[in-house]
Amino acid sequence: QSALTQPASVSGSPGQSITISCTGTSSDVGGYNFVSWYQQHPGKAPKLMIFDVNNRPSGVSSRFSGSTSGNTASLTISGLQAEDEADYYCSSYTTRNTLVFGGGTKLTVL
Amino acid sequence: QVQLQQWGAGLLKPSETLSLTCAVHGGSFSGYSWSWIRQPPGKGLEWIGEINYSGSADYNPSLKSRVTISGDTSKNQFSLNLSSVTAADTALYYCARDGSGSFALDIWGQGTMVTVS
Repeated sequence: QSALTQPASVSGSPGQSITISCTGTSSDVGGYNFVSWYQQHPGKAPKLMIFDVNNRPSGVSSRFSGSTSGNTASLTISGLQAEDEADYYCSSYTTRNTLVFGGGTKLTVL
Repeated sequence: QVQLQQWGAGLLKPSETLSLTCAVHGGSFSGYSWSWIRQPPGKGLEWIGEINYSGSADYNPSLKSRVTISGDTSKNQFSLNLSSVTAADTALYYCARDGSGSFALDIWGQGTMVTVS
């Protein structure tokens, strides 16, 4: 299975909004509402930020939101803060009852 | 609060079998599915496979021929075996819980670095 496609890097200034895209196929992102997003700080385990496309786990800031359109999912972070600087990964359930991750996006807060 | 504690050998020789175990503390093994994920140094996440509480497992097709994931409900543990390892299997290995049934991995272990050399 091929990894989902994410931009290698994105950046934004504090207070701004940024969007990270995650492109798959109709066999994964486009076929199911089972897209998740993870935040990973250096040396730390990934943290679930969004599940089932647009749901936030308890404790995750409302500044994080998710959506999909066709075969592309998106993570939007509004009111960017320095602590948001991290790597972000999308993932999706697939038709083969497996999970596939995106390649990851490095977010830099300028 | 549910926590995952994982352990296993950190240094292997080529052709050996990687074995890791993940224990579930503060919660039940039953009713959830449990995954293994790895991350090569400086690279992204790769899903290895998942086992559900009834013992049924699914694997990444690219690793399927070498992977076995098993669970022990009596010990609240699940394990990963990866056979015939090579340098390409060098990675930080994580265990994680699928909290929603839709592969949303909401609780992660601390990670175990495995080096094949």
